Amino acid sequence: EPEVTQTPSHQVTQMGQEVILRCVPISNHLYFYWYRQILGQKVEFLVSFYNNEISEKSEIFDDQFSVERPDGSNFTLKIRSTKLEDSAMYFCASTWAANIAGGYYEQYFGPGTRLTVT
Amino acid sequence: QQQVKQSPQSLIVQKGGISIINCAYENTAFDYFPWYQQFPGKGPALLIAIRPDVSEKKEGRFTISFNKSAKQFSLHIMDSQPGDSATYFCAASMGGSQGNLIFGKGTKLSVKP
Repeated sequence: EPEVTQTPSHQVTQMGQEVILRCVPISNHLYFYWYRQILGQKVEFLVSFYNNEISEKSEIFDDQFSVERPDGSNFTLKIRSTKLEDSAMYFCASTWAANIAGGYYEQYFGPGTRLTVT
Repeated sequence: QQQVKQSPQSLIVQKGGISIINCAYENTAFDYFPWYQQFPGKGPALLIAIRPDVSEKKEGRFTISFNKSAKQFSLHIMDSQPGDSATYFCAASMGGSQGNLIFGKGTKLSVKP
């Protein structure tokens, strides 16, 4: 069964450093998402990406964050200058289509990257 | 209001019992309500989902009940098993959005043998 993969599984970085989290969505999917989950808290939407541009973003997704699809398979989340409060599990998700056409399609989540900022 | 409120925070059920988790929302623009199951160290996985044009959806031991007028929906797990022990999140998505999900805070379910 196809799955979303994420690397690394755990990233430790110092405050102020840049990190890039990588995701390989399911190959025929067109919509991509990043979510984060601070330990013990709910999953929070960060950004959605379609047709090589950001579709929607939350208030969390400020200028320190950026996303990119550098090639046909990878989808990355970059945090330019990490803060302690960026420590969280980051999940990538993908789906074949969003709900614009009135239909809903399952978002498949990757296993996550645990980011620890020290 | 973008929130989805979920209760209880944790739930302990005996094997074979019924687990019930409740969620409520305010924004009537939400039109897709999935439930996700998450095991430790894993990403959330879709369990079952419902649209507001139906009041109930059943898949195996899992049932969503939806009350549009009360803006509430719930997950019922019948004949709960120890393997169901996980964290369950309700979520909602807004019509016209790119499908981004707004999650509840989660319910940690423990099913005792």
